[in-house]
Amino acid sequence: AQSVTQLGSHVSVSEGALVLLRCNYSSSVPPYLFWYVQYPNQGLQLLLKYTTGATLVKGINGFEAEFKKSETSFHLTKPSAHMSDAAEYFCAVITGFQKLVFGTGTRLLVSP
Amino acid sequence: ETGVTQTPRHLVMGMTNKKSLKCEQHLGHNAMYWYKQSAKKPLELMFVYNFKEQTENNSVPSRFSPECPNSSHLFLHLHTLQPEDSALYLCASSQDRAESSYEQYFGPGTRLTVT
Repeated sequence: AQSVTQLGSHVSVSEGALVLLRCNYSSSVPPYLFWYVQYPNQGLQLLLKYTTGATLVKGINGFEAEFKKSETSFHLTKPSAHMSDAAEYFCAVITGFQKLVFGTGTRLLVSP
Repeated sequence: ETGVTQTPRHLVMGMTNKKSLKCEQHLGHNAMYWYKQSAKKPLELMFVYNFKEQTENNSVPSRFSPECPNSSHLFLHLHTLQPEDSALYLCASSQDRAESSYEQYFGPGTRLTVT
């Protein structure tokens, strides 16, 4: 069965520093992978997705993720953190029958 | 209105009350979902509707009763809930086609507190 694991429930960075949020997946078929962001008291917003093709995927707000099959990873990065990036981030994989399976989330804290 | 809307945004109810959550999507999608988000737990898929037909019931207790009258509207009827049902309930929709990669669009959620 497809699943994702997010390493680190909390990640703290300084404003301007590199953001790296880790996600590893398990899938017996080529996966469709997603990163969502959730700001306080809001729903989830799609940041980016990988389906097929280019393994480096660019999303909104300057985020990008690289699909690495050899490492079964789909880590999310942003070169320079901004205060407004503070939120919870969820990695997800689509299973058969259009089901999205989410990781447990990583809360990103950005300090001035 | 655009995207996926949910009402009410906040709801407090007693264990003997009956209430309903409403979700509406303005994206022309054909699949709709209910999720439960509790503190310190992964998002839990509750129900899936595809073209108004329920295709998934993820072992949800019968005190939660979904209704999907058409592809744009989804309800979650609540009765005799328990305090542990307090959570954020999220609605989502998607276009059920491989070309769309099945990405789901979420509403803002209803924060439910059961007293």
